[in-house]
This record gives sequence, C-alpha cells and structure tokens, in this order.
Amino acid sequence: IAGITQAPTSQILAAGRRMTLRCTQDMRHNAMYWYRQDLGLGLRLIHYSNTAGTTGKGEVPDGYSVSRANTDDFPLTLASAVPSQTSVYFCASSDWSSGGAGTDTQYFGPGTRLTVL
Amino acid sequence: GQNIDQPTEMTATEGAIVQINCTYQTSGFNGLFWYQQHAGEAPTFLSYNVLDGLEEKGRFSSFLSRSKGYSYLLLKELQMKDSASYLCAVVDSNYQLIWGAGTKLIIKP
Repeated sequence: IAGITQAPTSQILAAGRRMTLRCTQDMRHNAMYWYRQDLGLGLRLIHYSNTAGTTGKGEVPDGYSVSRANTDDFPLTLASAVPSQTSVYFCASSDWSSGGAGTDTQYFGPGTRLTVL
Repeated sequence: GQNIDQPTEMTATEGAIVQINCTYQTSGFNGLFWYQQHAGEAPTFLSYNVLDGLEEKGRFSSFLSRSKGYSYLLLKELQMKDSASYLCAVVDSNYQLIWGAGTKLIIKP
C-alpha cells in the first residue's frame, strides 16, 4: 500500500541523548517535510526538502537536522534532545514543482510521539 | 507576521450543518487548504481553493474570498465520524504552508 511510514511510533528519551526519527515514502514524491505539532499551536515546519540532495530550514529548525540521500527517505535527527522538543512529529510528502507551484497536496505519515525527560 | 485564525472549538448536532471559519494574514497567497485530523491520527486532505468562490465535494464545501482573507469549511448532514479537528493552511509567497491551530469539532447525538 502506497504511503508514508514513520518510526518509531512513540519514544521516551532522556535529555541530552541523540535520536533519529525515520520517514520513508513510496509515492515517488520529490518533496518531503518534517513538522512538529504541539497542543494549541498549528503544525510548524522544521525542515523540508524539495528534491533529493537538497534541504531547507523551516520555521523552527534549531536543534534539528535532516538529510535527503534519496527520494524515499528523509530522517530527522535531534543531536542532543531537550524537554522542549517533546512533541508529535509528522513527516509529509508532496509533488513539488520547481516552477514555484508548490501547492500540491501534502500527504502525512502517522506521526511519532516523542517525550524528552 | 503571518497569522491564521480559526475558532478553537465548536459543537454541533448530528444531522445538522456547521461552518468553520478561517481568516488569514500572510505574505502573499497561493492557495488555501483544509485538512481533517482525527485525534491521534495524521492530517488528511479535504480541499484546496485558489480562486474565489465555493467548491463543493459531497457533504463538504469550502469557500474562499481572497479580498477578505477569509475561508470557511461547510459540513452538511453531520455524522459522528466528523468529530475531528479541522486545519486551515495557507500557501504563502514562498510556497510554504502556514498552518492554523485547528478547530476541534465536537458532534453530539
């Protein structure tokens, strides 16, 4: 079944530890995104990638890094987790046009619930 | 700054009609999305508007007025399964999605 998978589903992490959240899509979408969702706030973009080999910073990139070695995978790494990074993390993908018509529908993975203690 | 405003919570009765409003102030406009998100699940696409007017899709309709910076999502013949959060998101001049905090819709029998 085509779609986006994320791992792990949930994780409890000690502050200061390194953590990588995994995201894989099989829809051959060129663009991928990482969001965090906190109660009372909208989805906030952490990092994005318009095509394999390129990445960009979103609204809240500090403390996070990403890589896009191929079309399908877009891991998010927390180098040294802090309690304020406790959140639900969603990965998404879309067909993105380099002509600036980045209005294609984003499809979301099931999310990773991360708790940093 | 960029801002998307939606009511935090709304309550409606099964079988009724409800309108969820969204107002926006963004740097540029390249379209507006509505997504549905059930508790504990991922957002799923409902509609996309880029031109003024009403787009109807089954029980759900979405309206846009670019001059007023305003959109609404209209849900008809409400069912219990429509209990969810509804997220409004605007595509800004950089083709980034700016998300509202969402409206939690509670459906009562």
